[in-house]
Amino acid sequence: DVKVTQSSRYLVKRTGEKVFLECVQDMDHENMFWYRQDPGLGLRLIYFSYDVKMKEKGDIPEGYSVSREKKERFSLILESASTNQTSMYLCANSPGSSYNSPLHFGNGTRLTVT
Amino acid sequence: AQTVTQSQPEMSVQEAETVTLSCTYDTSENNYYLFWYKQPPSRQMILVIRQEAYKQQNATENRFSVNFQKAAKSFSLKISDSQLGDTAMYFCAFGVMDTGRRALTFGSGTRLQVQP
Repeated sequence: DVKVTQSSRYLVKRTGEKVFLECVQDMDHENMFWYRQDPGLGLRLIYFSYDVKMKEKGDIPEGYSVSREKKERFSLILESASTNQTSMYLCANSPGSSYNSPLHFGNGTRLTVT
Repeated sequence: AQTVTQSQPEMSVQEAETVTLSCTYDTSENNYYLFWYKQPPSRQMILVIRQEAYKQQNATENRFSVNFQKAAKSFSLKISDSQLGDTAMYFCAFGVMDTGRRALTFGSGTRLQVQP
């Protein structure tokens, strides 16, 4: 079974802090994604990566950046956390070769910015 | 751009009964695929069922089946013999078959409560 592990289940940070959300996969999948989940809005794509050091903006990239230095790790960075970034963050991955392959998700990180 | 609409924010069903969750989407693409995901209170998002747009036959996975109407851009999920473990958020998702965008577009979700 593919495993996607997010380092923190709950996180509380202060406004203005730099925040790192880490995601690690145990399979050799090319694609990794960061989504944000908010009530009534569903999941919205922040960034994705289809290879090491490659990244693409999703639908809501403002206020975020990402890093993928190794294939198994995809980090989401909040350069200066704000209260409107309080949300559930979901990391996912998928193999690059098959378009109908489902995404495999981590358990999510619930971030609160105070 | 693709959009996915789930018009039922919340639904409730009695155990052992059948419930249908609706999903519509908008796209100009011809080759795409559709998914239903389930997110139980434990938060782990898991795949329920998938459908390729080129397949006319509706997908079925045990108690879960879809009604895929390509012309109407509709993709509803039917859960038969509902069980307490089906209580969860359900998300409809859309994906395009090209190399440029491998991410899925999700709907806003339907919270399903199965009552004993």
